[in-house]
Amino acid sequence: EDQVTQSPEALRLQEGESSSLNCSYTVSGLRGLFWYRQDPGKGPEFLFTLYSAGEEKEKERLKATLTKKESFLHITAPKPEDSATYLCAVRIEGAQKLVFGQGTRLTINP
Amino acid sequence: GAVVSQHPSWVICKSGTSVKIECRSLDFQATTMFWYRQFPKQSLMLMATSNEGSKATYEQGVEKDKFLINHASLTLSTLTVTSAHPEDSSFYICSASPAGATGELFFGEGSRLTVL
Repeated sequence: EDQVTQSPEALRLQEGESSSLNCSYTVSGLRGLFWYRQDPGKGPEFLFTLYSAGEEKEKERLKATLTKKESFLHITAPKPEDSATYLCAVRIEGAQKLVFGQGTRLTINP
Repeated sequence: GAVVSQHPSWVICKSGTSVKIECRSLDFQATTMFWYRQFPKQSLMLMATSNEGSKATYEQGVEKDKFLINHASLTLSTLTVTSAHPEDSSFYICSASPAGATGELFFGEGSRLTVL
């Protein structure tokens, strides 16, 4: 069965304290791994798409990486406005839909 | 950028009534749209795939007669919650891709439904 698992479930950091969020996946043929940010009461906001192992994407303080089994979302010197839930999703071969992980609730304290 | 808009943002209704939620792709055409449901502090659960001009494809366990989906044009899909009950209260979010079925999905703002 295709599965996406994110860890940790929740993470509290001090402003400026860098860290990484993990997304592990077990799928029968990956056709894309997607990272989204979701603020409370809002729809997810697209961040990155990764397609093959070794690929990396960056946007401001965020950097996403991909291996054959997992993806990391690295956040460097975070600010309070980076506080949100970060969702990982995968698209498997032969399917249009995305399968989401449970998300990581990130809180950055000033 | 790709913009997906939902309306209404929130709605309160009485038990037994029906509620319609609209999802529009504002700057692109979408032959496929996806409807998700999200409970508090939980992730997104796919309810159905909406296909323009044909019947929607529902995920296992989702009642077709309860959640009616219509995708009448390339920019509009609607979700109607029929005979709503309190357990239908949830956050409903639609999504679509300007790059076809294999591209990244862009999400609407979500619609919060509260059934009294």
